[in-house]
Amino acid sequence: QVQVVESGGGVVQPGRSLRVSCAASGFTFSNYDMHWVRQAPGKGLEWVAVIWYDGTKKYYVDSVMGRFTISRDNSRNTVYLQMNSLRVDDTAMYYCARGAGRALDDWGQGTLVTVSS
Amino acid sequence: EIVLTQSPATLSLSPGERATLSCRARQGVGTYLAWYQQKPGQAPRLVIYDASNRATGIPARFSGSGSGTDFTLTISSLEPADFAVYYCQQRSDSPSITFGQGTRLEIK
Repeated sequence: QVQVVESGGGVVQPGRSLRVSCAASGFTFSNYDMHWVRQAPGKGLEWVAVIWYDGTKKYYVDSVMGRFTISRDNSRNTVYLQMNSLRVDDTAMYYCARGAGRALDDWGQGTLVTVSS
Repeated sequence: EIVLTQSPATLSLSPGERATLSCRARQGVGTYLAWYQQKPGQAPRLVIYDASNRATGIPARFSGSGSGTDFTLTISSLEPADFAVYYCQQRSDSPSITFGQGTRLEIK
């Protein structure tokens, strides 16, 4: 069955960097766009970034552009989110999700990133 | 950016009742509208895609309708497991995605 598992979250100081990962299994990873979506504590969902199935195109929400970089390794069935210059308002649960047409059909359980001094 | 507005913010109903949740887009999104269910401590789960198609494993009591700017998620007869937060989401003419702010469906 389809499985998506995030890892790499933790507590980091403002201005520092962190990389979170998402390991996928149960489907042909290289055929699917992959997304990151975040959710601040007690808040709604915010889309963060998408990477095309072949890694050729990447798009970001304005608030992370220039600070976050999405990438993937299709040989490892893994997608990454490199987060630089982290801010307190980046604190959130970060979910990885598989793109299916115009929706997101399978989600991981998330990895929590806390930015705090 | 296409803004999605969900209403009501909170809906209080009893099991067995019919639930009607609304999502309005500031500009037309065709039928590129999805709905997600999220329970406390869990990841979102896709319920409806392309406005009216049920995702895999979603019971028939869930239905979606609408096109353009006005969309509805209907749950015909509420089960205890249906009480959750529901989000709409669009991805129409750009690679980016936006979500509505959510509707909390709570037990009355």
